[in-house]
Amino acid sequence: NAGVTQTPKFQVLKTGQSMTLQCAQDMNHNSMYWYRQDPGMGLRLIYYSASEGTTDKGEVPNGYNVSRLNKREFSLRLESAAPSQTSVYFCASSGFLAGKFFGPGTRLTVL
Amino acid sequence: QQPVQSPQAVILREGEDAVINCSSSKALYSVHWYRQKHGEAPVFLMILLKGGEQKGHEKISASFNEKKQQSSLYLTASQLSYSGTYFCGTEKMGGTASKLTFGTGTRLQVTL
Repeated sequence: NAGVTQTPKFQVLKTGQSMTLQCAQDMNHNSMYWYRQDPGMGLRLIYYSASEGTTDKGEVPNGYNVSRLNKREFSLRLESAAPSQTSVYFCASSGFLAGKFFGPGTRLTVL
Repeated sequence: QQPVQSPQAVILREGEDAVINCSSSKALYSVHWYRQKHGEAPVFLMILLKGGEQKGHEKISASFNEKKQQSSLYLTASQLSYSGTYFCGTEKMGGTASKLTFGTGTRLQVTL
């Protein structure tokens, strides 16, 4: 069991470039989430997917889009990266009334 | 509304106990606790649900006061491995997906 995997681990972008962060889980969880973590800000929810085929906005969705490709995979896309999107991005999954399992994170720098 | 955690930081000697508090201004359905070590992902510790149901982890326990909208995490006989940043995550209503709002964290350092 790999748990939750994310790719890439590190990425540097120039302002205006686009990229997709990939996430996959092998725990058969229905719900998946994307968080960003900035120093002193804790974890903030960007988007989530309660089940396959559904997605919804979290606290900070502007500048992002998501796709729930199937039950295992949930991707996050930055269409036109901005320096304010420099952050550590975590994908997570969970079952019903259970804790979240987080992936190792993607450290993104936008210049 | 982001929950408020206290203290912001604490230093302990190995074997000492600690309490970390989490307060919300809104009625809560559940409270989650996570620990994150530097450069790593958060790791789930436990969840407390409205109505008193609780799940635990090793020597770490927690309480949830629904009326006061507060939760406390108790670390007993701390070990060096307990060092890290502790986050509470709160949820206002239950649902298929758990949309937690996280606090800003409590940094815990355990020394010899």
